[in-house]
Amino acid sequence: GAVVSQHPSRVICKSGTSVKIECRSLDFQATTMFWYRQFPKKSLMLMATSNEGSKATYEQGVEKDKFLINHASLTLSTLTVTSAHPEDSSFYICSARDSIAGGYNEQFFGPGTRLTVL
Amino acid sequence: GESVGLHLPTLSVQEGDNSIINCAYSNSASDYFIWYKQESGKGPQFIIDIRSNMDKRQGQRVTVLLNKTVKHLSLQIAATQPGDSAVYFCAENTAGSARQLTFGSGTQLTVLP
Repeated sequence: GAVVSQHPSRVICKSGTSVKIECRSLDFQATTMFWYRQFPKKSLMLMATSNEGSKATYEQGVEKDKFLINHASLTLSTLTVTSAHPEDSSFYICSARDSIAGGYNEQFFGPGTRLTVL
Repeated sequence: GESVGLHLPTLSVQEGDNSIINCAYSNSASDYFIWYKQESGKGPQFIIDIRSNMDKRQGQRVTVLLNKTVKHLSLQIAATQPGDSAVYFCAENTAGSARQLTFGSGTQLTVLP
């Protein structure tokens, strides 16, 4: 089956630093990847839709200058949390859609990245 | 934004019993629905999906029922096992260029020995 990886799986950083999270589709091409954020005991909230070769589309309330998304290839999207603060601590999850399969093609989810900002 | 003060709905069942997890979706234009299982500290895992032109779909030990009239989705798990303990999310997908998913609030399923 389709596999999506994320790196790192967990990161602890000091307030004010920037953190980059990578999302890779390992055995399929993904023109579209999605970034979600999840707080403890809560559901997944879509942050942005990442399109290969173009600018990401951000959901309402998500600061694009705070959460920088780059989707430079069909297998890699990165999310950079700039000048991270403790309130950015969360579980970040990416997903990828298979570009070849059409129609209702499902999203394949990565294992998530736990970010803790001290 | 996030709902402050609301707890994740919970469901406890005895091992071997059947589980039914319910979900109310929001958009009558949604045409594709998916159930995901999420274990602690992991990403969501696909369980089963259903399109809006169907009202029932069965998989291995799981059945999804869709009632478009009342915008309700349910997941039935037969002979629930300890490994089924997790949070279960329904997600709806509305036709559009990006086919984004909107997740429900989730249900914590605990299987008792």
